[in-house]
Amino acid sequence: SQQGEEDPQALSIQEGENATMNCSYKTSINNLQWYRQNSGRGLVHLILIRSNEREKHSGRLRVTLDTSKKSSSLLITASRAADTASYFCAVYNFNKFYFGSGTKLNVKP
Amino acid sequence: GAVVSQHPSWVICKSGTSVKIECRSLDFQATTMFWYRQFPKQSLMLMATSNEGSKATYEQGVEKDKFLINHASLTLSTLTVTSAHPEDSSFYICSTRWGGATDTQYFGPGTRLTVL
Repeated sequence: SQQGEEDPQALSIQEGENATMNCSYKTSINNLQWYRQNSGRGLVHLILIRSNEREKHSGRLRVTLDTSKKSSSLLITASRAADTASYFCAVYNFNKFYFGSGTKLNVKP
Repeated sequence: GAVVSQHPSWVICKSGTSVKIECRSLDFQATTMFWYRQFPKQSLMLMATSNEGSKATYEQGVEKDKFLINHASLTLSTLTVTSAHPEDSSFYICSTRWGGATDTQYFGPGTRLTVL
């Protein structure tokens, strides 16, 4: 499967702490993207990192990509209760997107 | 970013009936749309790629006769679940690429289908 695999499956932290989620994949990729999904809702695009990039920042988000290890991580700094959601990585290859299993993040106020 | 809508947002139907789900791109022309399904607490599984004016491309294991996709215009793609059964109950989400950004997707809000 080309789908990404994520860990942890679930993460519970206190507001203000940092949250780190990891994604591993199996094939070569054009880019890797992270999405957020609130319960029962559609997905929101968070950040895209291309295969020739190693790190990218967007506000409180930091994404790293290690193509040699076929892995990526998403760091959310200074988490807020509103960050509570499921987070998915998606690998883009051959004009298609394949999603990881997701990490369910719970930020306790 | 692009705006994608889906209708209905939820639907309950009896086993054996057919259900149509619409996916619209509201502020741009979408030559390609994607259809996903998501079971509870699981990830999104790509079902098919919908191309305007041509037949959809289905992923392995997805029955094209059961999940009919029509992309007759640049702003509308429809997914029809034919002869629905309880195991078809799921969250169906469409997405599209926006403009020239071929590798960024924008998702619709999803449609919750419950088959009794």
